[in-house]
Amino acid sequence: DTGVSQDPRHKITKRGQNVTFRCDPISEHNRLYWYRQTLGQGPEFLTYFQNEAQLEKSRLLSDRFSAERPKGSFSTLEIQRTEQGDSAMYLCASSLAPGRGGTDTQYFGPGTRLTVL
Amino acid sequence: QKEVEQDPGPLSVPEGAIVSLNCTYSNSAFQYFMWYRQYSRKGPELLMYTYSSGNKEDGRFTAQVDKSSKYISLFIRDSQPSDSATYLCAMGGSEKLVFGKGMKLTVNP
Repeated sequence: DTGVSQDPRHKITKRGQNVTFRCDPISEHNRLYWYRQTLGQGPEFLTYFQNEAQLEKSRLLSDRFSAERPKGSFSTLEIQRTEQGDSAMYLCASSLAPGRGGTDTQYFGPGTRLTVL
Repeated sequence: QKEVEQDPGPLSVPEGAIVSLNCTYSNSAFQYFMWYRQYSRKGPELLMYTYSSGNKEDGRFTAQVDKSSKYISLFIRDSQPSDSATYLCAMGGSEKLVFGKGMKLTVNP
């Protein structure tokens, strides 16, 4: 049973560039979450999908951020025109929704650490 | 007031000590309560999960929830140097989780 995987693990970019991160959830999980974690803080919710539908977006998710989960499997998170304030760890988690035999217990991937210069 | 408050520490204890980590919350809609452990530059790892008031034990770890006081705790018995990490409380309804800031624990041999 493989866990949640994320790629890349580290990304260094220059301000103004676009970046895209990928998350592969645990295979039978139908929910996929994105969180952002800055130094000394707990993860903060960004958005989540159930299957391919994006069901909720945080107000933290500015219009420079877009997430997709086209076939209900892997997901991508794109940040356009990156700013220094986007530097953070981007975490992906997956779960099995309640009613599908699950309890929505979320399992996290290793994260993608973004540094914007 | 933040939805979830956690004393950020840091906390340093000798090996073998009993450690108590605590969080308070304000949202009565929270139904699920978790503790995650996070090593430096890694993703959070689920330690304990509970959805009812009372105690839940797993090896050296005990999670305690008091819904009437909106208070949760994690106890670590016989702490080991390998327990040195940041501990995050998290809670939610049926979807997104709201996390505390995390408590950095160091267990000294």
